[in-house]
Amino acid sequence: NAGVMQNPRHLVRRRGQEARLRCSPMKGHSHVYWYRQLPEEGLKFMVYLQKENIIDESGMPKERFSAEFPKEGPSILRIQQVVRGDSAAYFCASSPRSVGGGYQETQYFGPGTRLLVL
Amino acid sequence: DAKTTQPNSMESNEEEPVHLPCNHSTISGTDYIHWYRQLPSQGPEYVIHGLTSNVNNRMASLAIAEDRKSSTLILHRATLRDAAVYYCAPIAGGTSYGKLTFGQGTILTVHP
Repeated sequence: NAGVMQNPRHLVRRRGQEARLRCSPMKGHSHVYWYRQLPEEGLKFMVYLQKENIIDESGMPKERFSAEFPKEGPSILRIQQVVRGDSAAYFCASSPRSVGGGYQETQYFGPGTRLLVL
Repeated sequence: DAKTTQPNSMESNEEEPVHLPCNHSTISGTDYIHWYRQLPSQGPEYVIHGLTSNVNNRMASLAIAEDRKSSTLILHRATLRDAAVYYCAPIAGGTSYGKLTFGQGTILTVHP
């Protein structure tokens, strides 16, 4: 069973360009989470999605960032007009069902996409 | 969101037990306590989780204080492969479900 896949693993962009990060969850998982890890900092939650729905985007910056998880295909984290402060490792995790509410399913993390903005 | 406090770093010798503490005094009654670890240049890896009772699995044990304001991850016999950053991460129930709240983590160094 393949794990969570993220691509690209490394992405270099110039300021003002767009960055698209892709995440394919584990087979059978319908819940996706995105986290960001800035240099020398811990992981911060960004957004939680189910198929075609954004459940919690409380950690997403209000501007330039968007996320989707379509019915078919991978989840996409999109950063428009990137700035140097967006340089970070972006991790995607998936789980088979929502955690909490009496269920505690493990979140499985991908290897991350390391974004460098020049 | 529950806040966590962990030591910045800890050291251990190979084959010895390691106790990694975490304070989460603002945790709510429905928050589970998850532990993950992260090796360099890799994504976090699930270690263990619990609510109120102590938990054991093949990787580690989790001891949760009776008042749930702290917990301790126990590696019974540290190996070199256990060197990583260890995070305790409460996960909220209710409307915030799904969201892991990571602290700064503890860098574990294992000496041969």
